[in-house]
Amino acid sequence: EPEVTQTPSHQVTQMGQEVILRCVPISNHLYFYWYRQILGQKVEFLVSFYNNEISEKSEIFDDQFSVERPDGSNFTLKIRSTKLEDSAMYFCASSRVVGGEQYFGPGTRLTVT
Amino acid sequence: AQSVSQHNHHVILSEAASLELGCNYSYGGTVNLFWYVQYPGQHLQLLLKYFSGDPLVKGIKGFEAEFIKSKFSFNLRKPSVQWSDTAEYFCAVNDNNAGNMLTFGGGTRLMVKP
Repeated sequence: EPEVTQTPSHQVTQMGQEVILRCVPISNHLYFYWYRQILGQKVEFLVSFYNNEISEKSEIFDDQFSVERPDGSNFTLKIRSTKLEDSAMYFCASSRVVGGEQYFGPGTRLTVT
Repeated sequence: AQSVSQHNHHVILSEAASLELGCNYSYGGTVNLFWYVQYPGQHLQLLLKYFSGDPLVKGIKGFEAEFIKSKFSFNLRKPSVQWSDTAEYFCAVNDNNAGNMLTFGGGTRLMVKP
């Protein structure tokens, strides 16, 4: 069964550094998403992406964040200058149709020190 | 904005007990509803979904959920739990008027004692 994959599984970075989190969505899916979960809190939506552009973003997704689909398979989340409060589990997801079930990757645990 | 509440944060049951986990959402428009499960060390997996039609939906592993529109609820049930059901369960809502985003509840950690 096809799966969403994410790399790395754990990333440790220093405050102010740039990080790129990578995701490979399911191959025939057209809609891509990033969510995050700060320890002890709810899973929160960050951004959705369709047809090579952002379709929705939350208030969390400020100018420090960007997404890109650099080729036909990868979907990346970049945080330009990480802050301590960016420490969280970041989940990538994809869906085949709008409003359809979203398939989640295993997550990347980002620790900002 | 849509919000989702899961009333039970931690549930402990013995094997063969019945399970019901509550989920309520705030906005009464057209919604798609989901339950996800996260087993220890694994990623979020879809358990079941409701888009339209029969409000009683059946999912994998013997789980079912009932959509009650008048109560803005989508409670998850299983008649007889097993030790392997130990996991965290998340209710999620897609508000059709707000695009594709899922709004998640806070999760319920279920522990089933053998």
